[in-house]
Amino acid sequence: SAVISQKPSRDICQRGTSLTIQCQVDSQVTMMFWYRQQPGQSLTLIATANQGSEATYESGFVIDKFPISRPNLTFSTLTVSNMSPEDSSIYLCSVDGSGVDTQYFGPGTRLTVL
Amino acid sequence: ELKVEQNPLFLSMQEGKNYTIYCNYSTTSDRLYWYRQDPGKSLESLFVLLSNGAVKQEGRLMASLDTKARLSTLHITAAVHDLSATYFCAVAYNNNDMRFGAGTRLTVKP
Repeated sequence: SAVISQKPSRDICQRGTSLTIQCQVDSQVTMMFWYRQQPGQSLTLIATANQGSEATYESGFVIDKFPISRPNLTFSTLTVSNMSPEDSSIYLCSVDGSGVDTQYFGPGTRLTVL
Repeated sequence: ELKVEQNPLFLSMQEGKNYTIYCNYSTTSDRLYWYRQDPGKSLESLFVLLSNGAVKQEGRLMASLDTKARLSTLHITAAVHDLSATYFCAVAYNNNDMRFGAGTRLTVKP
């Protein structure tokens, strides 16, 4: 299975600022995904990040608010821009398991916006 | 639009009892996943179900898939406290995207 790390693990931010979350995986993967999990809720897919192309965003999520980078096959970043308290959530990255039909999830970044 | 519905959302069980969690989805899919999430932790993959009639078992958990009924079940046998967690089903669409159910928060009491 893939080993995924995320930085930071948690942060408390002020309204109007931006935070960039990093996701690092220990092997090369084709697809990386970013999810949001609001307190006590399920997971919602924000976008899919493929190396060498623009991220594909789900309905309700836009690039200006959640810009994503995917510079290589082991790394991706998600930026939460111009934050408001409604952005307080856990943000998780996941990757496709190579040759295995599942997704592996990182430990998550717990974001609180004041 | 693909919708995934889980029930129950909350489940309190006595140790030693059996119960089933249900996952219904609204459009055709060829893959269904079950994940476990402990409080404050990330998601752990439990099962991947790839075909109609698929059944997988791991310890006290057994998952099945009926693609014709668009229904998956997660059956818990003789529950123990260590199974207390939130269980999510997720359905694949658009090749690799997943849509998650709301989750079932399971509490197993002594």
